[in-house]
Amino acid sequence: QVQLVQSGSELKKPGASVKISCKASGYTFTSYGVNWVRQAPGQGLEWMGWINTNTGNPMYAQGFTGRFVFSLDTAVSTAYLQINSLKGEDTAVYYCARTNPSYGDPIAFDFWGQGTLVIVSS
Amino acid sequence: QSVLTQPPSASGTPGQRVTISCSGSSSDIGRNYVYWYQQVPGTAPKLLIYTNDQRPSGVPDRFSGSKSGTSASLAISGLRSEDDADYYCASWDDSLSGPVFGTGTKVTVL
Repeated sequence: QVQLVQSGSELKKPGASVKISCKASGYTFTSYGVNWVRQAPGQGLEWMGWINTNTGNPMYAQGFTGRFVFSLDTAVSTAYLQINSLKGEDTAVYYCARTNPSYGDPIAFDFWGQGTLVIVSS
Repeated sequence: QSVLTQPPSASGTPGQRVTISCSGSSSDIGRNYVYWYQQVPGTAPKLLIYTNDQRPSGVPDRFSGSKSGTSASLAISGLRSEDDADYYCASWDDSLSGPVFGTGTKVTVL
């Protein structure tokens, strides 16, 4: 069965970096794009961008350029989100989600990871 | 970043029908499909409706979606306790070249 399993919670100090993993199983990893979605505490969902798992080309949403990096290791079917120069406002749950084009637009996210909580605090 | 407007809350008793609205603009809902996600607190969102009114396999037919102009709606009929969750609409935004989510609606089953 399709699964996206993310790495565990992280507690980081301001200015540090964090790298979150999203390991896919149950399907051909390079056939579906991987998106990243942020949810700040008590807030709604915010699309951060996506990475084409076939070409490795990332696309970042407005507000998520510069400090945010999407990457892949297709050998182990894993996508990564790295956030550099962490700030307090980066405290959030980060989700990876698979795009399924058979459901229409690229925003049809049919499988999600369980989420990774990142807390940024001194 | 959210540009789709939803009511913050809605409620109903078991068996009732609840409707959630989602208001957008000509650059998002007006030109593109609408999707709905359900998020039970503490868990990841789940795709509930795609391309305005279609349900993925496994989603009960108690959930239905519709779209008209720059607005969309999600209806939940025969409300059940397990429907107690947050619901988000989403649509592609041509001006942002990416998806935007709604502000979210908390549905409470009384």
